[in-house]
Amino acid sequence: GNSVTQMEGPVTLSEEAFLTINCTYTATGYPSLFWYVQYPGEGLQLLLKATKADDKGSNKGFEATYRKETTSFHLEKGSVQVSDSAVYFCALKTGAGTALIFGKGTTLSVSS
Amino acid sequence: SAVISQKPSRDICQRGTSLTIQCQVDSQVTMMFWYRQQPGQSLTLIATANQGSEATYESGFVIDKFPISRPNLTFSTLTVSNMSPEDSSIYLCSVEVQGQSSYNEQFFGPGTRLTVL
Repeated sequence: GNSVTQMEGPVTLSEEAFLTINCTYTATGYPSLFWYVQYPGEGLQLLLKATKADDKGSNKGFEATYRKETTSFHLEKGSVQVSDSAVYFCALKTGAGTALIFGKGTTLSVSS
Repeated sequence: SAVISQKPSRDICQRGTSLTIQCQVDSQVTMMFWYRQQPGQSLTLIATANQGSEATYESGFVIDKFPISRPNLTFSTLTVSNMSPEDSSIYLCSVEVQGQSSYNEQFFGPGTRLTVL
């Protein structure tokens, strides 16, 4: 079946450090891929997305590239801030009318 | 986009009772989903709420425990029946909005935080 695997957390970084959160997927066909973020005490928000191979999604300094050959969609940011502390979820969607399938989530904690 | 509201935002319930969670969307949507997020865990799909027909449940979830109604294209309810402490979770309503690209974006409500004593 379809699934998403994320690196285990928590990830603890100092401000301005480089961030990578690994995400790989298993899916039939060509899914769309997403990163969602959940800030403390807040709801789930879409961070970025990519709908086909080699697409790069980007938002708020975060980037992720859809790599079909490695079935990956790793999240990166060049310089994290304390305000980036949150839980990050990788997710896939196999088509219109299907529900998002989420990875387990990775907690990021950034200290000043 | 879509703006989703859920009621109640949180509740504390006694075991053996039932709670109905409401989800209201500000526009007509075809697809509505219900998810559960247990403490410290990811989001698990409970069911797809179909307008005018029975909901489609995922493996491990049954209609007797989580009855769902979808009377129209902007509203749905999820009931958590005969609750036990293991049902303590955040329950989220999600809708799919048709976009211009090949996929349709999903939006999430703020969630209902349920604690069962």
